[in-house]
Amino acid sequence: DAGITQSPRYKITETGRQVTLMCHQTWSHSYMFWYRQDLGHGLRLIYYSAAADITDKGEVPDGYVVSRSKTENFPLTLESATRSQTSVYFCASTELGSFAYEQYFGPGTRLTVT
Amino acid sequence: AQKITQTQPGMFVQEKEAVTLDCTYDTSDPSYGLFWYKQPSSGEMIFLIYQGSYDQQNATEGRYSLNFQKARKSANLVISASQLGDSAMYFCAMREQETGANNLFFGTGTRLTVIP
Repeated sequence: DAGITQSPRYKITETGRQVTLMCHQTWSHSYMFWYRQDLGHGLRLIYYSAAADITDKGEVPDGYVVSRSKTENFPLTLESATRSQTSVYFCASTELGSFAYEQYFGPGTRLTVT
Repeated sequence: AQKITQTQPGMFVQEKEAVTLDCTYDTSDPSYGLFWYKQPSSGEMIFLIYQGSYDQQNATEGRYSLNFQKARKSANLVISASQLGDSAMYFCAMREQETGANNLFFGTGTRLTVIP
C-alpha cells in the first residue's frame, strides 16, 4: 500500500519496558519526523531525519532513540518507558524542493504506559 | 514564546454558516509557510490548506480559505457553508525555512462543533 504506515496502532506497556514504534513510507521522502500529541500541547517534535543515517533532536527528545538505516523506515524506541510517555505518536514525511510541501502523517500509535 | 497560538479551545457553528478559526504566529524568519490540518475523531491528520509568507493572495481550497494578515502575523482559517463532517480538531502549523529541519510547529488546536 502506498503511503505512510505505523505499527502498532495501539500499545499498552509497563513502566521500564523498551518499546519500539515502527514507521514506514513508500514515497522515498527524504524527511521523516516523529511527533507526540498531548492534550493542551498540540503536536511536538521528538526527532527528525533529513535522510538515511541522518537524525537530529526535536523539541522533546528525552527518553527516545531513533534510527534510519533505510530511507523508508524510521523507528522510534522508548528505551525505558515512563508514564509521562503515554501519548499518541505520529510519524510524518515530506520531501525537499518545495517549501509548500505538506507533511504526510501516518495514522498514529496510541501508547499507554502503566 | 509560542510559535503558534490558537486562542479558541472550542468553537460552535450552525450548519451552513461560515466560521473563522484564529491563528497567530511568531517568527523572525522571512521565509515560512503556514498550514492548517484537520483531525477528526478517528485521529488522522488531514492537510487542508497552505499559505507561503511571500504569497500575495490568500490561499483557497474549496470551502477553506486562509485569511493571511502578515503585518498582524495571523493566519485564520475560514470554513464556509459548514457541514456536520467539519466537526473536528483543527491545528494551525508553521514551517520556518531557516531551521533547516522542515518540521512543523503546531498550535494547541481548536475543536469545532457543527450544530445541525
